[in-house]
Formats: sequence, C-alpha cells, structure tokens
Amino acid sequence: DTGVSQDPRHKITKRGQNVTFRCDPISEHNRLYWYRQTLGQGPEFLTYFQNEAQLEKSRLLSDRFSAERPKGSFSTLEIQRTEQGDSAMYLCASSLAGGEEKLFFGSGTQLSVL
Amino acid sequence: KQEVTQIPAALSVPEGENLVLNCSFTDSAIYNLQWFRQDPGKGLTSLLLIQSSQREQTSGRLNASLDKSSGRSTLYIAASQPGDSATYLCAKTPRNSGSRLTFGEGTQLTVNP
Repeated sequence: DTGVSQDPRHKITKRGQNVTFRCDPISEHNRLYWYRQTLGQGPEFLTYFQNEAQLEKSRLLSDRFSAERPKGSFSTLEIQRTEQGDSAMYLCASSLAGGEEKLFFGSGTQLSVL
Repeated sequence: KQEVTQIPAALSVPEGENLVLNCSFTDSAIYNLQWFRQDPGKGLTSLLLIQSSQREQTSGRLNASLDKSSGRSTLYIAASQPGDSATYLCAKTPRNSGSRLTFGEGTQLTVNP
C-alpha cells in the first residue's frame, strides 16, 4: 500500500454515460497526477495539479475529460459521454514538490466502456 | 520516435540468474529517471530514482545506472526470485516539463522456479 487511494477499483459503463473517479493522495503531498494506461503500454500522462492549481494538461485530455482538485487534497477525474476508446486503467499518483520528485501511485481504476 | 524504449519486451529466466533490463531515452536533458514495478492489474511501485547528477542507485538486490550522454539506463537484478516476476517500467522526467513522467512500454519479467 503506497498511501494513495483510488475509488472505485473497477467501473463498467455503457457508451455515452458519464463516469467520475476519485483519488486521495498521500496527505502531505502537494502534487497530484493522473495517468492512463492501456494493456501492454506504459502509462500516459494526462494532467497534474500543484495544490489546487491544474498546471499541465496533455493533448490526450479531450474536452470530454475534466479534472479537479478543489481544496488541494483529493482529486476527481470525470469523463463525459464515454467512448469505447476510453477503456483503460486510470492511475493517480502524488509527490512532494521540491524534493527528488518520487511518485507514489495508487492501484488504479479499471474502466470498461461497453 | 518513441521517447523511452525498453528492451527486451519480455524476458523469462530461471530462478537465481542475474539479469539486466535496458532503457534508452531521447533527449538527455532529464531531471531524473525512475524505475517502477507493476504487478498484473495493479498500480506502480517505485523501485529506484536516479537524479540527473547521479550515476547509479542501489536498493537490496536492485541496482540502476544512468548514462545521460548515451541516453541509457539499466536495471540490474541480482539472484532473481519468482517473486520478482512483474512488468518493469522506466520513466524519465524531462527537465522542462514540470513533473510529467514519460514511460517506456515495459519489460515483462518471468522468473521460473
């Protein structure tokens, strides 16, 4: 257990539905990241926050994706109008800025879009 | 061109062997390089982190080296055990892109008893 929690662990949804995932980082970490991973590939960066500010977004993050970290603690990732291509493992990670930037990952949310 | 490449994609060895996993990356202007382990269906566990000013890091049976000039890192696993079976991923943090990690596709390691 790395101390980063993600909920739910698995999500099955129908195409066109909206889904929301939650991530609780290690409490003293001020940076929080979202990555997406498909089978046989390494994780791909989606976005990251420092405290409550979203500092960087990947071009992979289409308009259907939105992430928030309202109080600089937990974060949510919402996907609207899901498509089958959104099926993947969504990973959250946290780190402490200013140090060696070691990332601690959660166990991920596996999304299946039918 | 893939920014981070890992060779081999899969490796199967008998228990007790020493082995080396390879990672190569474009753009030597990195902040750090990290090695992770991932078990099937699980998240990533950080194994070793090498700062750009360092050449290697060691933890137990694991040793990771970094050669920025050639754009290469290796992960050495001594006396492999069946419990080492997992996918090993390397990731670079480019100097000018915040804390974004760019991952390779991983090496799937199987250690046979």
